Amino acid sequence: DAKTTQPPSMDCAEGRAANLPCNHSTISGNEYVYWYRQIHSQGPQYIIHGLKNNETNEMASLIITEDRKSSTLILPHATLRDTAVYYCIVPPGYSSASKIIFGSGTRLSIRP
Amino acid sequence: EAGVTQFPSHSVIEKGQTVTLRCDPISGHDNLYWYRRVMGKEIKFLLHFVKESKQDESGMPNNRFLAERTGGTYSTLKVQPAELEDSGVYFCASSQVGRDPSYEQYFGPGTRLTVT
Repeated sequence: DAKTTQPPSMDCAEGRAANLPCNHSTISGNEYVYWYRQIHSQGPQYIIHGLKNNETNEMASLIITEDRKSSTLILPHATLRDTAVYYCIVPPGYSSASKIIFGSGTRLSIRP
Repeated sequence: EAGVTQFPSHSVIEKGQTVTLRCDPISGHDNLYWYRRVMGKEIKFLLHFVKESKQDESGMPNNRFLAERTGGTYSTLKVQPAELEDSGVYFCASSQVGRDPSYEQYFGPGTRLTVT
């Protein structure tokens, strides 16, 4: 997998946008960027993925730089329930296997 | 639609005993994965089924772990005999085959295993 680098922790005020950065400077042209999160005592949860265009769904937005070497996950209006560890993952571009390799992620704390 | 379910939610066993964990994937999902998180460590992949076949079992720690998926529906993960270092949370995930890319996986709530 392309190596990803995330800050170990961040915090954000409730109601504000949470912007979580991820560096993936060794990403290849056909490799996607995925984001997952794990809320305490729950299983990991898929959030969003993208290749090169910005993506938005009901949970978040994903902004990928033009050179694709970094991305930002945006939670537009963070709530206390968004407190979790967020994982930026870049799986191999082609593989018959599809295992996810989780790193240490970013621990996001939302403060009231 | 029901999500991925796992049973039991918690299990406490003594060293040397046997435990069997069960995972029911989302209906129609032929990909099934097992992961685990040992205390203080990152979530690690164990193995991957496509229907009833083992596609990748590179993460299985040793031969005390046996995973099955007879009939290609639910899966079981047996630990026999359990050791202290097997304690952790075991997650199951599923995804659709043929979905490209295939890293959009749906996880169950996990089984917390404690070996004493």
